[in-house]
Amino acid sequence: GAVVSQHPSWVICKSGTSVKIECRSLDFQATTMFWYRQFPKQSLMLMATSNEGSKATYEQGVEKDKFLINHASLTLSTLTVTSAHPEDSSFYICSAHLSGRSYNEQFFGPGTRLTVL
Amino acid sequence: RKEVEQDPGPFNVPEGATVAFNCTYSNSASQSFFWYRQDCRKEPKLLMSVYSSGNEDGRFTAQLNRASQYISLLIRDSKLSDSATYLCVVPSGGSYIPTFGRGTSLIVHP
Repeated sequence: GAVVSQHPSWVICKSGTSVKIECRSLDFQATTMFWYRQFPKQSLMLMATSNEGSKATYEQGVEKDKFLINHASLTLSTLTVTSAHPEDSSFYICSAHLSGRSYNEQFFGPGTRLTVL
Repeated sequence: RKEVEQDPGPFNVPEGATVAFNCTYSNSASQSFFWYRQDCRKEPKLLMSVYSSGNEDGRFTAQLNRASQYISLLIRDSKLSDSATYLCVVPSGGSYIPTFGRGTSLIVHP
């Protein structure tokens, strides 16, 4: 099956710092990647849809200036949490959509657990 | 009505039991549905897809009821390793961007 990697797997940072999370499709090209956030005992909440070579589409309530997304190539999308605060602590998961497949069928990265002190 | 609703559980069942979860959805135009499994602190993994009336894969059976707008997941002969959260996924609104339910927690005990 398609493999998606995410780096780092966990990060602890001080309030006010910026954190970059990388999402890579290892054995396929992903024109579309999705970024999700999941708080404990909650469902995955879609934050944004990232399309290679164009601006990301953010979901309502997600600040695009705070969560910067760059999808510079067909195998890499990055999410930067700028000026992180404790309320940004969460599990961030990316997924990649395989062309020709339903958008519901996504391949997920292992996730990044962010803790902001 | 929420777009995708699931009973969070937990469902606590003994090994060997049969257990079923339901997931209701509000978008009557939805054509495809998925069940994902998520282990604690891990990413979701695709379990089954449902495009028509249902799908069966070993001990797992997914069924779709379009009239009542719900899908179900049936697990037979439960194993300890089936303990996880099961997420229902349905397209959102007029797009094909998926919406995840909050998941149903299953605990299989000896």
